[in-house]
Amino acid sequence: GENVEQHPSTLSVQEGDSAVIKCTYSDSASNYFPWYKQELGKGPQLIIDIRSNVGEKKDQRIAVTLNKTAKHFSLHITETQPEDSAVYFCAASMMNTGNQFYFGTGTSLTVIP
Amino acid sequence: SAVISQKPSRDICQRGTSLTIQCQVDSQVTMMFWYRQQPGQSLTLIATANQGSEATYESGFVIDKFPISRPNLTFSTLTVSNMSPEDSSIYLCSVGLIPYGYTFGSGTRLTVV
Repeated sequence: GENVEQHPSTLSVQEGDSAVIKCTYSDSASNYFPWYKQELGKGPQLIIDIRSNVGEKKDQRIAVTLNKTAKHFSLHITETQPEDSAVYFCAASMMNTGNQFYFGTGTSLTVIP
Repeated sequence: SAVISQKPSRDICQRGTSLTIQCQVDSQVTMMFWYRQQPGQSLTLIATANQGSEATYESGFVIDKFPISRPNLTFSTLTVSNMSPEDSSIYLCSVGLIPYGYTFGSGTRLTVV
């Protein structure tokens, strides 16, 4: 089955700096890569996703890049703000509602004001 | 994307008792997924619930401990049976809708004492 690794497990940045979280996956059949943000006491919320036919996707301060050959994808947050502090999870799946997600182990991001 | 209502949001239960968690979706979906998130950990899939058939359980999870119902295309329940302190976790339901990706409920924080 799929194996997703995520690094780093914790990340602290100064407000205004950029944060990068990286994930690798093992199954070349995976074609859908979402990122979730989980705040304390809440369920994960989808913040951005990318499909395997795209190399990069941006949404305001958030971007995701995908390298299918190397089987890795990354989350980039620019101009970080204290409200970006949360746990971020990457996941890999085949984009079909019957396929499960394989989650990374999470990155706890702290943005220092 | 789908909106999921999950309840209860939290509960404290005595060991040996059972708790049923409900998940209501505002759209008809074929598959619903139940996850467990132990403190400080990533998400682990418990089972996939398909309407009209028995749920499919992942390794390490059994129907007697986590019975699931899926009476229609918008609703599912997960029961945590004969609870022990080791069952203290966040339990989350999730659905997938093409092309919106997967959405999670807000989770049920269960504490077993």
